[in-house]
Amino acid sequence: GDSVTQMEGPVTLSEEAFLTINCTYTATGYPSLFWYVQYPGEGLQLLLKATKADDKGSNKGFEATYRKETTSFHLEKGSVQVSDSAVYFCALHNDYKLSFGAGTTVTVRA
Amino acid sequence: NAGVTQTPKFQVLKTGQSMTLQCAQDMNHEYMSWYRQDPGMGLRLIHYSVGAGITDQGEVPNGYNVSRSTTEDFPLRLLSAAPSQTSVYFCASLAGVTGELFFGEGSRLTVL
Repeated sequence: GDSVTQMEGPVTLSEEAFLTINCTYTATGYPSLFWYVQYPGEGLQLLLKATKADDKGSNKGFEATYRKETTSFHLEKGSVQVSDSAVYFCALHNDYKLSFGAGTTVTVRA
Repeated sequence: NAGVTQTPKFQVLKTGQSMTLQCAQDMNHEYMSWYRQDPGMGLRLIHYSVGAGITDQGEVPNGYNVSRSTTEDFPLRLLSAAPSQTSVYFCASLAGVTGELFFGEGSRLTVL
């Protein structure tokens, strides 16, 4: 079945550092790919998405490109802020089947 | 626009007690689902529904029941709570066209 694997955390960074969270997937067909973010004490919310190969999703300075050849959807941000401290989930949607990665906890220190 | 509303936010139960977590959405989404979130295990699907009158099991359905009598509501019932059901529960509805999930704020359940 479909699955998502993302890098384990936790990840601790200083403000203005570069952030990468790796995500790879296994799926049949043509899934849509998502990154969700969960801030402390809150539910998950959509950060960005890509619905087909080579699409780039972007939001709040974060970017991820749907790479079908490497089955990857890595999340990047060039300069993180303390407010980016959260848990990040990579997810896949394929014909109403949804799969989530285990989540990566990111802490940004001032 | 309320989105997805879950209640209660916090609940403490004793082993063997029953309770219902409520979930309502006002976006007219056909697909709704319940997840539990445990440390190091990400989100695991408990039950889901693709429309009123239709429900199905997810990855971890044991100990939970659901029903879907209306498009808006999708309650999750714990029939006889066990300590292993201590978790944070999230209800979510799916915007079918975009594939985006809309989550509630979560319900933290502790079973003693």
